[in-house]
Amino acid sequence: DTEVTQTPKHLVMGMTNKKSLKCEQHMGHRAMYWYKQKAKKPPELMFVYSYEKLSINESVPSRFSPECPNSSLLNLHLHALQPEDSALYLCASSQGLLRSGVNQPQHFGDGTRLSIL
Amino acid sequence: SQQGEEDPQALSIQEGENATMNCSYKTSINNLQWYRQNSGRGLVHLILIRSNEREKHSGRLRVTLDTSKKSSSLLITASRAADTASYFCATGFTQGGSEKLVFGKGTKLTVNP
Repeated sequence: DTEVTQTPKHLVMGMTNKKSLKCEQHMGHRAMYWYKQKAKKPPELMFVYSYEKLSINESVPSRFSPECPNSSLLNLHLHALQPEDSALYLCASSQGLLRSGVNQPQHFGDGTRLSIL
Repeated sequence: SQQGEEDPQALSIQEGENATMNCSYKTSINNLQWYRQNSGRGLVHLILIRSNEREKHSGRLRVTLDTSKKSSSLLITASRAADTASYFCATGFTQGGSEKLVFGKGTKLTVNP
């Protein structure tokens, strides 16, 4: 079992749908991350939240909209996605860089497998 | 690109043998981390080595870091079938006051019983 919980595990949606991916952690971590992973490829960073503020956006298209309602929750809102957006979306958390001043490992959820029809 | 390169891309060994995976990167880093990913699952952190460290051990894992050559290696000793997975190195940077990880392309390890 992972300490980062992602829901749903699978999602199939049409290109005109609006859906949200959810991520939750209760480890007291203050940094949370969204990654996109295509088959047989490494994860690619999309967004970083630090202390509930968006600190990194890797030039992600606006059809992906992240939200961090509180320190335990991270959402990714999806709208008007394209077939090429089909992938495994991974959420991760860590203690964060600022507070500890020391680099920390990231803890990953098992991801949401997204298919766009 | 900051992305690391790993070799080999795929490695098949027998149970009990050692497995060595290499990672090279291009820019200065804060740290280098190794992760394992089983098929269809999330990534699991294995070990973190800071830029001022040269070697680190954790159980059957040994990681080395050579910042002058911008390279790292992961050694898994006495491999088991359960070690079958993809292994990724990830280089850590600071950007926008946060830490960012850039993952290498990965090595797919198969340990045959």
